[in-house]
Amino acid sequence: GAVVSQHPSRVICKSGTSVKIECRSLDFQATTMFWYRQFPKQSLMLMATSNEGSKATYEQGVEKDKFLINHASLTLSTLTVTSAHPEDSSFYICSITPPTSGRGAGNEQFFGPGTRLTVL
Amino acid sequence: GEDVEQSLFLSVREGDSSVINCTYTDSSSTYLYWYKQEPGAGLQLLTYIFSNMDMKQDQRLTVLLNKKDKHLSLRIADTQTGDSAIYFCAESKNSNSGYALNFGKGTSLLVTP
Repeated sequence: GAVVSQHPSRVICKSGTSVKIECRSLDFQATTMFWYRQFPKQSLMLMATSNEGSKATYEQGVEKDKFLINHASLTLSTLTVTSAHPEDSSFYICSITPPTSGRGAGNEQFFGPGTRLTVL
Repeated sequence: GEDVEQSLFLSVREGDSSVINCTYTDSSSTYLYWYKQEPGAGLQLLTYIFSNMDMKQDQRLTVLLNKKDKHLSLRIADTQTGDSAIYFCAESKNSNSGYALNFGKGTSLLVTP
């Protein structure tokens, strides 16, 4: 079954509005979640690391005031795209790294199904 | 991921073997991964290899790692039409981001009947 869920799966919004994307860890508590962005025919690019109970760490070139991240609980992180513009249209994917004890490939990450954002 | 390079496209016939190649630059990466992405879907971890291994086999999948040349390959035996997807090579990203991954641009595999 799914380990990570995202909501919504698709969203279309008008330019200038804000959009909130949720990422939920279904199987275990995740103190750290990652947000990636994928443009058409491109790779996934890490945007930020979401840390439960503290501020997110943003990658170079990612505007923290535009992409607000809130990791309020151990199972939920949200990404809000503020004042969205057409160039923000992309596929946004979150991932989690499970507790390392007894699971998988050490640094294995589980990815959500992604959210397709289209800004008109 | 600008540091991870992959060829963009591969076409094979059903039943043949597919080999997807990848080069990476971070020699300190502990794990290297292969992910599969089907159209409109998220990423599925196919397999991974620990950096001190040369080869790993998992059913139809064989991963070869040449650490000296920083070269990673994924071989899919008896390729099926259901294997058509985009395959991403990824390395552990050792940075302030902890265990985030650095991805290649992906190789589109097309399997024809």
